[in-house]
Amino acid sequence: DQQVKQNSPSLSVQEGRISILNCDYTNSMFDYFLWYKKYPAEGPTFLISISSIKDKNEDGRFTVFLNKSAKHLSLHIVPSQPGDSAVYFCAASGTNFGNEKLTFGTGTRLTIIP
Amino acid sequence: KAGVTQTPRYLIKTRGQQVTLSCSPISGHRSVSWYQQTPGQGLQFLFEYFSETQRNKGNFPGRFSGRQFSNSRSEMNVSTLELGDSALYLCASSLRTSGGWNEQFFGPGTRLTVL
Repeated sequence: DQQVKQNSPSLSVQEGRISILNCDYTNSMFDYFLWYKKYPAEGPTFLISISSIKDKNEDGRFTVFLNKSAKHLSLHIVPSQPGDSAVYFCAASGTNFGNEKLTFGTGTRLTIIP
Repeated sequence: KAGVTQTPRYLIKTRGQQVTLSCSPISGHRSVSWYQQTPGQGLQFLFEYFSETQRNKGNFPGRFSGRQFSNSRSEMNVSTLELGDSALYLCASSLRTSGGWNEQFFGPGTRLTVL
């Protein structure tokens, strides 16, 4: 049972435009959500996170939105740059599970077109 | 500060064999978690070790085991390898302070191929 879902395996966006990556979850016990970015032959690197008590968190070009009632979160990248081309993973954790246990989605490959 | 290191980076084994993978966390980090990444399933949590004790476990069979040493280095062992065990195995380390989530830093992974 996939508790964290990324339904778009791939996304292509023009350089300078907004990239929107989506993620849905099913377990209401998750209380912390994260986005990781992964380049080939490297491990995932942490990008941005959001606690379930918030609905938005911004860090530079990256903003994560959380809609708890819909069990949905999204990552916005504005403006998109060629270096943003990577696989993006959505992940969730919960105090009840142990915060170090991350449940990941299957990833979305983002390609920024120059 | 050196990052998380994993050895070996690539490994080829045959069915029925066993394999041991190693992970050295960032200096000062005492928690090490292991994940399996496959194309269809994404990253799946295997287990977490902290202070030489397994603190959390995912839904994997008993063929997958691990341990942690006093210097926080961790090893993961897979016995009686199956074709489906072919995957990228990632380890992540964190400070694991009390009260909330701690950023996890991932290593580059070990690519295991089972023939």
